[in-house]
Amino acid sequence: NAGVTQTPKFQVLKTGQSMTLQCAQDMNHNSMYWYRQDPGMGLRLIYYSASEGTTDKGEVPNGYNVSRLNKREFSLRLESAAPSQTSVYFCASSPGETQYFGPGTRLLVL
Amino acid sequence: GEDVEQSLFLSVREGDSSVINCTYTDSSSTYLYWYKQEPGAGLQLLTYIFSNMDMKQDQRLTVLLNKKDKHLSLRIADTQTGDSAIYFCAEIPNSGNTPLVFGKGTRLSVIA
Repeated sequence: NAGVTQTPKFQVLKTGQSMTLQCAQDMNHNSMYWYRQDPGMGLRLIYYSASEGTTDKGEVPNGYNVSRLNKREFSLRLESAAPSQTSVYFCASSPGETQYFGPGTRLLVL
Repeated sequence: GEDVEQSLFLSVREGDSSVINCTYTDSSSTYLYWYKQEPGAGLQLLTYIFSNMDMKQDQRLTVLLNKKDKHLSLRIADTQTGDSAIYFCAEIPNSGNTPLVFGKGTRLSVIA
C-alpha cells in the first residue's frame, strides 16, 4: 500500500514551458486535492476533486488545470509556466474529511 | 471568511514540553487537525479532534480544544530532537468550498 505517490519529485522549467504533475492513490479514496506550499504562506488549495468526474477550483486556481482521470489519478497541468509558479506542490486524498498527503513535487520555473 | 492563525516559531529545550497554539474562526468546524512536516517531506497526519471533544491524548501528544475561545493547542511532552518540524493546524469549515483550511505552520526547533 503506497498511499499517495507523486511524480516527478523535482522539475526545472523555463518560462512558457508546459508540464503535468502526476498524482495517484491506492487507498480507494473518493476525494483528491492539489496544494501549493510557499514560504510564509502555508498550504493553499489549487483544485480539488470530490469524486471521479468532478473538479472544483480552490483558492489559487489561475494558471492551472486538472484532470481526474479515474478514481486513482488526479493530474495538475501548467500550460505556460511562470516564475510565480515556483513552489512545492502537494497532492492529497481523502475518504471523507481527513486528508493524506503525498511527498511533494519541487518545481522551479526560470 | 475562514482563517486559521498560528505563531510562526517555537524553540524549546530537549526534554521540555512544547505547546503549539492555534486559533480558528469557524465555530461550526467539525474536525480540527494537526499535521507535521519534516524537512523536505510531505505533511503527515499527527492527530485530530472532533469538535464535541475537549481533549484527546495519544502517547506524548495532548490536544486541547476550547470551542468558546476557538482555540486549539498541541502539547508534546518530553520533546525530542526528532520532533523538530513544522506543525500545521487545520480545520474543516462549515461554509465555502475549501475542504480544509490550514494555518501557516509553526516551526518547532528543539535545542539539545
